[in-house]
Formats: sequence, C-alpha cells, structure tokens
Amino acid sequence: DAGVTQSPTHLIKTRGQHVTLRCSPISGHKSVSWYQQVLGQGPQFIFQYYEKEERGRGNFPDRFSARQFPNYSSELNVNALLLGDSALYLCASSLGLAGGNEQFFGPGTRLTVL
Amino acid sequence: AQTVTQSQPEMSVQEAETVTLSCTYDTSESDYYLFWYKQPPSRQMILVIRQEAYKQQNATENRFSVNFQKAAKSFSLKISDSQLGDAAMYFCAYRSFRYQLTFGKGTKLSVIP
Repeated sequence: DAGVTQSPTHLIKTRGQHVTLRCSPISGHKSVSWYQQVLGQGPQFIFQYYEKEERGRGNFPDRFSARQFPNYSSELNVNALLLGDSALYLCASSLGLAGGNEQFFGPGTRLTVL
Repeated sequence: AQTVTQSQPEMSVQEAETVTLSCTYDTSESDYYLFWYKQPPSRQMILVIRQEAYKQQNATENRFSVNFQKAAKSFSLKISDSQLGDAAMYFCAYRSFRYQLTFGKGTKLSVIP
C-alpha cells in the first residue's frame, strides 16, 4: 500500500509569493495534519483536518490556511511568504482523531524562500 | 500548554552497545500518549514506540524500550544492540485529547562502527 505522499518535493519561492503544498493520505485515513519543521528543530503543529473540517490549529498566522477535500487529500496554502517560512512541511495521516491513533508521516516538502 | 524537552542535542553509541535518550514533558492532563519518532537522513518520520499514560507497564518493541516515569514526567528511550541503521534524529512527542503532536527538539544519534 502507498504511504502518505506529498508534492512537490522541493520548492523555491521569493518573498511575498504564495505557495500551495499537497498531501495524499494513506487509503482509508480520514485525518490529515500539517507540521512545519525548521532546520534543527522538531516539527510544529499547524493544522489538523478530519472529515473535511478543521479540528485543530496551531500558533501560526492567518497567512497559513488549509483545506481537506472529499477524497481526504489536503492542501496547505501560505500567502505573503517570509524568509522565516523556509522549512520542511510535513503531512501526516491517521485513521481518526483518537489520541492513540498512529500518525503516518509523508516525506515532506522542502520550501525555500529567497 | 504542553512542552516536551530533550536535553541531549547529540548522542553517540558504539555498534552493538546500548544507548538511552532522555525526554521530559510538562502537562496538567492525566490521560495522554507519548511517542518516540525516528527521522533518518532521508527525512521520513517513522514511529518507533508508543506509550499510553494509563499503562504502568513500559512499552517494548524489539530492541527499543522505554522507561516511563509518570510522576516524574519522564519518558526515556533505550536502544539495545545498536545498529548502523539506528543513526537518525529521534524525537520525543506528546499527544492528548487535543490530537496534535507536540514534539521535542530532537536528539541526533550517531552509531560508531
């Protein structure tokens, strides 16, 4: 079975631009979470979606938004990019919301903002 | 807010030896889950081991085991018979009913042949 997939693998943008990152969860998984991992740090939670509804939001500005589609795939959008948005963006999927459900991570999208 | 602290930025271990990675956390909740994740240089994060806070018995997965001290809010990972493939970043993580994972800053483990 395919794992969590993310696209693109790498992305280079300039300050002020907009970016869209995509995630396809494992088949049967209805929850998708997004994390930002700055170099040398642990991942930080951005959003969680379940059944197309936002179920959690981390401490990120309104420039960050996300959505989940009927097929449970998800997009993360970042507007007005700043240099500090340069990071590895990880998507994770799980069967549901229960705390014990394992989150399976994708390989990530490396975003570089120049 | 929950916090997770990993006080060892880097650790090294000889192949076939045992190493322990430390993790402490802060929470006011009574029910939660603790995890150790491994992130090899190829980046994909994988789950190593999971511990439910209501279980007193320490979790074990093959060469990996934890020492969970709930009162001390400590959750260390022991890797026995270390192998070259164990070299990676290791992240301790906390998860409660709020669903999202809270990660520590990670420990970089090197395995010396």
